[in-house]
Amino acid sequence: QVQLVESGGGVVQPGRSLRLSCAASEFTFSLYAMHWVRQAPGKGLEWVALISYDGTKKYYADSVKGRFTISRDNSKNTLYLQMNSLRPDDTAVYYCARETAMATTHFDYWGQGTLVTVSS
Amino acid sequence: SYELTQPPSVSVSPGQTASITCSGDKLGDKYACWYQQKPGQSPVVVIYEDTKRPSGIPERFSGSNSGNTATLTISGTQAMDEADYYCQAWDSSTHVAFGGGTKLTVL
Repeated sequence: QVQLVESGGGVVQPGRSLRLSCAASEFTFSLYAMHWVRQAPGKGLEWVALISYDGTKKYYADSVKGRFTISRDNSKNTLYLQMNSLRPDDTAVYYCARETAMATTHFDYWGQGTLVTVSS
Repeated sequence: SYELTQPPSVSVSPGQTASITCSGDKLGDKYACWYQQKPGQSPVVVIYEDTKRPSGIPERFSGSNSGNTATLTISGTQAMDEADYYCQAWDSSTHVAFGGGTKLTVL
């Protein structure tokens, strides 16, 4: 069964950095584009970033562009999100999600999420 | 940026049909999908490519997409269907767009 397990969340002060990880298993990680999606407490889903299967293409939501960096290590089956210059409105549960192998962009598997709290 | 609009809430009686709409500019020209999210859980796709159901999703879930509106329909709604529902589409400028979510109440 496909598994995505996020880690690295926690409480961090505004302006500081944090790196999230997403460990993938039970599928060929190097064949799939991967995304980060976040959800602020009591709010809806917000797409954060996308990385192509080989890591050559990366796209970001305007709200995080220039502050967050998505990356992957296909040899370790792991997805990352480096978050710099964190702000209180970055507080959210961060999910990694696998983009389906079909031609359309949707997510067929999600992790359980990791909570990031930005607060002084 | 590309925006998708959903009603904040929809109520339905058990056994009746619930319809949740998602509006966006020329949404019918794109593929829409729908996610169900129950409290404390990760989202689960219930409809993709406008009308397709993943394996394991009950037949009572169906979808359509035309013009500017995609619709998720739940026939014979059950108490277990009470959840938040999000539409999502791909746009070349925004990349991934989510609707704001609809809380479905079964009462």
